[in-house]
Amino acid sequence: SQTIHQWPATLVQPVGSPLSLECTVEGTSNPNLYWYRQAAGRGLQLLFYSVGIGQISSEVPQNLSASRPQDRQFILSSKKLLLSDSGFYLCAWMGQGVRGYTFGSGTRLTVV
Amino acid sequence: GQNIDQPTEMTATEGAIVQINCTYQTSGFNGLFWYQQHAGEAPTFLSYNVLDGLEEKGRFSSFLSRSKGYSYLLLKELQMKDSASYLCAVRGPGDYKLSFGAGTTVTVRA
Repeated sequence: SQTIHQWPATLVQPVGSPLSLECTVEGTSNPNLYWYRQAAGRGLQLLFYSVGIGQISSEVPQNLSASRPQDRQFILSSKKLLLSDSGFYLCAWMGQGVRGYTFGSGTRLTVV
Repeated sequence: GQNIDQPTEMTATEGAIVQINCTYQTSGFNGLFWYQQHAGEAPTFLSYNVLDGLEEKGRFSSFLSRSKGYSYLLLKELQMKDSASYLCAVRGPGDYKLSFGAGTTVTVRA
Protein backbone atom coordinates (compact mmCIF):
# COMPACT_ATOMS: atom_id res chain seq x y z
CA SER A 1 0.00 0.00 0.00
CA GLN A 2 1.05 3.58 -0.55
CA THR A 3 2.20 5.72 2.35
CA ILE A 4 3.44 9.28 2.60
CA HIS A 5 5.89 10.51 5.21
CA GLN A 6 6.48 14.10 6.16
CA TRP A 7 8.80 15.54 8.76
CA PRO A 8 9.33 17.22 11.10
CA ALA A 9 5.91 17.50 12.72
CA THR A 10 6.67 20.77 14.48
CA LEU A 11 9.31 23.41 13.86
CA VAL A 12 10.11 26.75 15.47
CA GLN A 13 12.60 28.81 13.52
CA PRO A 14 13.94 32.38 13.87
CA VAL A 15 13.37 34.94 11.16
CA GLY A 16 16.15 34.79 8.58
CA SER A 17 17.03 31.16 9.20
CA PRO A 18 16.90 28.49 6.47
CA LEU A 19 14.20 25.85 6.11
CA SER A 20 14.08 22.34 4.76
CA LEU A 21 10.97 20.16 4.92
CA GLU A 22 11.04 16.69 3.46
CA CYS A 23 8.34 14.44 2.10
CA THR A 24 8.68 10.90 0.80
CA VAL A 25 6.19 8.51 -0.73
CA GLU A 26 6.34 4.73 -0.61
CA GLY A 27 4.54 2.07 -2.59
CA THR A 28 4.14 3.97 -5.85
CA SER A 29 6.29 5.24 -8.68
CA ASN A 30 6.29 8.56 -10.53
CA PRO A 31 3.68 10.15 -8.27
CA ASN A 32 2.44 13.70 -8.69
CA LEU A 33 3.58 15.52 -5.57
CA TYR A 34 2.35 18.74 -4.00
CA TRP A 35 3.21 21.24 -1.28
CA TYR A 36 0.37 23.19 0.31
CA ARG A 37 0.34 25.78 3.06
CA GLN A 38 -2.54 26.48 5.39
CA ALA A 39 -2.40 29.70 7.39
CA ALA A 40 -4.36 29.82 10.64
CA GLY A 41 -8.09 29.72 9.89
CA ARG A 42 -7.48 29.78 6.15
CA GLY A 43 -7.86 27.38 3.27
CA LEU A 44 -5.20 25.33 1.56
CA GLN A 45 -2.92 27.27 -0.75
CA LEU A 46 -1.01 25.32 -3.39
CA LEU A 47 2.66 26.31 -3.32
CA PHE A 48 4.40 23.85 -5.66
CA TYR A 49 3.66 20.69 -7.57
CA SER A 50 5.83 18.21 -9.41
CA VAL A 51 5.02 15.61 -12.05
CA GLY A 52 8.51 14.09 -12.16
CA ILE A 53 12.13 14.29 -11.06
CA GLY A 54 13.48 17.79 -11.44
CA GLN A 55 10.10 19.11 -12.66
CA ILE A 56 8.75 21.82 -10.37
CA SER A 57 5.85 24.19 -10.98
CA SER A 58 5.36 27.18 -8.73
CA GLU A 59 1.87 28.44 -8.11
CA VAL A 60 2.55 31.66 -6.25
CA PRO A 61 5.60 33.90 -5.90
CA GLN A 62 7.05 33.60 -2.44
CA ASN A 63 10.05 33.14 -0.27
CA LEU A 64 10.09 29.40 -0.82
CA SER A 65 11.45 26.90 -3.32
CA ALA A 66 10.94 23.20 -3.97
CA SER A 67 13.03 20.40 -5.35
CA ARG A 68 12.49 16.80 -6.36
CA PRO A 69 15.86 15.07 -6.33
CA GLN A 70 14.38 11.57 -6.45
CA ASP A 71 11.18 10.08 -7.81
CA ARG A 72 9.49 9.78 -4.44
CA GLN A 73 11.11 12.66 -2.58
CA PHE A 74 9.85 16.24 -2.49
CA ILE A 75 11.62 18.98 -0.53
CA LEU A 76 10.42 22.45 0.42
CA SER A 77 13.12 24.98 1.23
CA SER A 78 13.80 28.58 2.10
CA LYS A 79 17.08 30.43 2.41
CA LYS A 80 15.70 33.05 4.80
CA LEU A 81 12.40 32.62 6.59
CA LEU A 82 9.95 35.46 7.07
CA LEU A 83 7.32 35.79 9.80
CA SER A 84 4.67 35.36 7.10
CA ASP A 85 6.03 31.89 6.32
CA SER A 86 4.44 30.57 9.51
CA GLY A 87 1.72 28.03 8.87
CA PHE A 88 0.79 24.40 8.49
CA TYR A 89 2.64 22.81 5.57
CA LEU A 90 1.19 19.76 3.92
CA CYS A 91 2.72 17.43 1.40
CA ALA A 92 0.37 15.38 -0.77
CA TRP A 93 0.41 12.95 -3.62
CA MET A 94 -2.31 12.31 -6.15
CA GLY A 95 -3.59 8.85 -5.45
CA GLN A 96 -6.09 6.80 -7.37
CA GLY A 97 -8.50 9.06 -9.26
CA VAL A 98 -11.52 8.77 -7.01
CA ARG A 99 -9.61 9.66 -3.87
CA GLY A 100 -7.79 12.73 -5.04
CA TYR A 101 -4.98 13.59 -2.70
CA THR A 102 -3.45 11.65 0.13
CA PHE A 103 -1.84 14.05 2.56
CA GLY A 104 1.16 13.71 4.80
CA SER A 105 0.71 14.41 8.48
CA GLY A 106 1.84 18.02 8.10
CA THR A 107 4.48 20.30 9.60
CA ARG A 108 3.52 23.12 11.91
CA LEU A 109 6.07 25.89 11.26
CA THR A 110 6.30 28.89 13.55
CA VAL A 111 8.69 31.64 12.57
CA VAL A 112 9.66 33.83 15.53
CA GLY B 1 -9.26 29.53 -12.55
CA GLN B 2 -11.41 28.19 -9.78
CA ASN B 3 -13.65 30.07 -7.36
CA ILE B 4 -15.03 27.90 -4.58
CA ASP B 5 -17.36 29.15 -1.85
CA GLN B 6 -18.57 27.47 1.30
CA PRO B 7 -19.87 28.83 4.61
CA THR B 8 -17.31 29.62 7.26
CA GLU B 9 -18.98 28.05 10.27
CA MET B 10 -21.93 25.87 11.21
CA THR B 11 -23.15 24.61 14.56
CA ALA B 12 -25.43 21.67 15.17
CA THR B 13 -26.61 19.41 17.99
CA GLU B 14 -25.46 15.86 18.53
CA GLY B 15 -27.72 13.45 16.66
CA ALA B 16 -28.93 16.11 14.23
CA ILE B 17 -28.25 16.58 10.52
CA VAL B 18 -26.11 19.28 8.97
CA GLN B 19 -25.78 20.21 5.30
CA ILE B 20 -22.66 22.01 4.09
CA ASN B 21 -23.06 23.74 0.75
CA CYS B 22 -20.33 24.39 -1.77
CA THR B 23 -20.64 26.44 -4.94
CA TYR B 24 -17.96 26.63 -7.56
CA GLN B 25 -17.19 28.59 -10.69
CA THR B 26 -14.52 26.91 -12.75
CA SER B 27 -13.03 27.00 -16.20
CA GLY B 28 -13.61 23.26 -16.39
CA PHE B 29 -14.65 20.40 -14.16
CA ASN B 30 -13.37 16.90 -13.53
CA GLY B 31 -14.63 15.99 -10.12
CA LEU B 32 -15.47 17.40 -6.72
CA PHE B 33 -14.02 16.15 -3.46
CA TRP B 34 -14.91 16.57 0.18
CA TYR B 35 -12.28 16.26 2.89
CA GLN B 36 -12.51 16.30 6.68
CA GLN B 37 -9.83 18.04 8.70
CA HIS B 38 -9.63 17.88 12.47
CA ALA B 39 -7.79 20.69 14.21
CA GLY B 40 -4.03 20.33 13.86
CA GLU B 41 -4.30 17.34 11.55
CA ALA B 42 -4.08 16.70 7.81
CA PRO B 43 -7.24 16.48 5.69
CA THR B 44 -8.67 13.04 5.05
CA PHE B 45 -10.78 11.98 2.09
CA LEU B 46 -14.55 11.74 2.56
CA SER B 47 -16.22 11.63 -0.82
CA TYR B 48 -15.92 12.14 -4.55
CA ASN B 49 -18.53 13.16 -7.12
CA VAL B 50 -18.00 13.49 -10.84
CA LEU B 51 -21.55 12.82 -12.10
CA ASP B 52 -24.76 14.50 -10.98
CA GLY B 53 -26.56 12.93 -8.09
CA LEU B 54 -26.14 11.67 -4.59
CA GLU B 55 -23.33 9.48 -3.28
CA GLU B 56 -24.05 7.87 0.08
CA LYS B 57 -21.43 6.46 2.37
CA GLY B 58 -22.71 5.59 5.83
CA ARG B 59 -23.61 8.72 7.78
CA PHE B 60 -22.12 10.97 5.11
CA SER B 61 -23.62 11.76 1.71
CA SER B 62 -22.48 14.12 -1.02
CA PHE B 63 -24.53 15.60 -3.82
CA LEU B 64 -23.46 17.23 -7.07
CA SER B 65 -25.23 19.34 -9.69
CA ARG B 66 -22.78 20.23 -12.43
CA SER B 67 -25.21 22.52 -14.26
CA LYS B 68 -25.61 24.61 -11.10
CA GLY B 69 -22.00 24.42 -9.99
CA TYR B 70 -23.24 23.17 -6.65
CA SER B 71 -22.48 20.43 -4.17
CA TYR B 72 -23.39 19.65 -0.62
CA LEU B 73 -22.11 17.33 2.06
CA LEU B 74 -24.75 15.91 4.36
CA LEU B 75 -23.75 14.67 7.79
CA LYS B 76 -26.39 12.60 9.58
CA GLU B 77 -26.66 11.44 13.18
CA LEU B 78 -24.00 13.89 14.20
CA GLN B 79 -21.45 12.78 16.75
CA MET B 80 -19.07 14.89 18.80
CA LYS B 81 -16.16 13.50 16.78
CA ASP B 82 -17.65 15.09 13.65
CA SER B 83 -16.56 18.49 14.94
CA ALA B 84 -14.00 19.45 12.30
CA SER B 85 -13.40 21.56 9.22
CA TYR B 86 -14.88 20.27 5.97
CA LEU B 87 -13.13 21.20 2.75
CA CYS B 88 -14.68 21.28 -0.70
CA ALA B 89 -12.20 20.83 -3.56
CA VAL B 90 -12.57 20.85 -7.34
CA ARG B 91 -10.39 19.31 -10.03
CA GLY B 92 -10.34 20.82 -13.49
CA PRO B 93 -10.35 18.85 -16.75
CA GLY B 94 -7.08 17.09 -17.43
CA ASP B 95 -5.84 18.77 -14.30
CA TYR B 96 -4.10 16.92 -11.55
CA LYS B 97 -4.40 19.81 -9.13
CA LEU B 98 -7.18 20.36 -6.66
CA SER B 99 -8.44 23.83 -5.76
CA PHE B 100 -9.84 24.10 -2.26
CA GLY B 101 -12.50 26.21 -0.65
CA ALA B 102 -11.62 27.90 2.64
CA GLY B 103 -13.41 25.19 4.60
CA THR B 104 -16.47 25.04 6.84
CA THR B 105 -15.90 24.57 10.55
CA VAL B 106 -18.64 22.40 12.03
CA THR B 107 -19.12 22.41 15.79
CA VAL B 108 -21.25 19.66 17.27
CA ARG B 109 -22.77 20.46 20.67
CA ALA B 110 -24.23 18.05 23.19
